Amino acid sequence: KAGVTQTPRYLIKTRGQQVTLSCSPISGHRSVSWYQQTPGQGLQFLFEYFSETQRNKGNFPGRFSGRQFSNSRSEMNVSTLELGDSALYLCASRKGGTNTGELFFGEGSRLTVL
Amino acid sequence: QKEVEQNSGPLSVPEGAIASLNCTYSDRGSQSFFWYRQYSGKSPELIMSIYSNGDKEDGRFTAQLNKASQYVSLLIRDSQPSDSATYLCAVNEDNNNDMRFGAGTRLTVKP
Repeated sequence: KAGVTQTPRYLIKTRGQQVTLSCSPISGHRSVSWYQQTPGQGLQFLFEYFSETQRNKGNFPGRFSGRQFSNSRSEMNVSTLELGDSALYLCASRKGGTNTGELFFGEGSRLTVL
Repeated sequence: QKEVEQNSGPLSVPEGAIASLNCTYSDRGSQSFFWYRQYSGKSPELIMSIYSNGDKEDGRFTAQLNKASQYVSLLIRDSQPSDSATYLCAVNEDNNNDMRFGAGTRLTVKP
């Protein structure tokens, strides 16, 4: 069974640019969550999608957005990049429905903003 | 702000010893609790989940939950150098759909 797949794995952008990250969940998983991980802040929750609907959102500015498609694949977008957006962006999936299931993480997309 | 707190460490134990990792959480509505292990440069991987008060054992790992004290812990018996990693405590509320993580405790097991 394939795991959570994130693309791209690494990318470098400059300030002011925008970036789109992609996540394919485990087959059958309908919930996709996104996290930002930095050395100073740890894992910070961005948002969670289930059946193409955003169910919850963390405390991030509106520059961070996401969406989910009918096949459960998800994308997140960061516009007007800032140096502080440099981080590992992790996508995680779970079966969904209830919120008590375990999260399974992808390998992450490491973003560097210059 | 709902918090999940962990000692950042580093925690260092000798090979073969018991490593004890602790986590407290602020939201009394929390219903499910998880421990993840994250090796340097890798993504978090699930070790244990626990939903009820008491102990849950899986091999060398034991998770302990005390909802009254809002406390969850992870014991690693017979620690091995391969257990050296950052351990993340995660908490999920009953009526919320995000899982909150602690900052993680870095464990080093010395041969």
